[in-house]
Amino acid sequence: AQTVTQSQPEMSVQEAETVTLSCTYDTSESDYYLFWYKQPPSRQMILVIRQEAYKQQNATENRFSVNFQKAAKSFSLKISDSQLGDAAMYFCAYRSTWGQKLVFGQGTRLTINP
Amino acid sequence: DAGITQSPRHKVTETGTPVTLRCHQTENHRYMYWYRQDPGHGLRLIHYSYGVKDTDKGEVSDGYSVSRSKTEDFLLTLESATSSQTSVYFCAISDSGVLNTEAFFGQGTRLTVV
Repeated sequence: AQTVTQSQPEMSVQEAETVTLSCTYDTSESDYYLFWYKQPPSRQMILVIRQEAYKQQNATENRFSVNFQKAAKSFSLKISDSQLGDAAMYFCAYRSTWGQKLVFGQGTRLTINP
Repeated sequence: DAGITQSPRHKVTETGTPVTLRCHQTENHRYMYWYRQDPGHGLRLIHYSYGVKDTDKGEVSDGYSVSRSKTEDFLLTLESATSSQTSVYFCAISDSGVLNTEAFFGQGTRLTVV
């Protein structure tokens, strides 16, 4: 069974600085998708960024980028120029290509200090 | 925003009573998921569906059953609610295909079992 682990329950960063959130996963599959979701206090789940395992190039979305290390089964999220609105819970997620099972990590609560 | 609605949004029920949560989508997406969110555990998959009348268990399925008789509706039933099932429940939907890997989430249902 696939598992996702986020080892940092909480992180904090100064506004305008850079922070990296860690995620590792375990799978025997070779083809899959990885995601980072953001959950603000409103409880809404918002997709931040996605990565297809067959792509070697790391995904980027504006201030958000990932470091995808397939062999190490690692998928970290880097947030550059942190803003107050980035404060939220961040979840790493794994999705199988076959069966489409979607599994989440435990989450990392990110605090932005002004 | 994806057309996904959870009902009810809040519910308080007594131990031992049956409870049914409903997830309704207007996107005609193939896959539907039920998660529970608890502090320190992230989102844990309860059950998911990959088509009408096709469902499978997630990691925390004990005490829960699901049904999907129509593409648009996915029901989660707690046959006999227990205090350990007090949680926030999220429904999610996703479609098949390489370009449609993102999952969309409902607003969540806060269930309290007293």
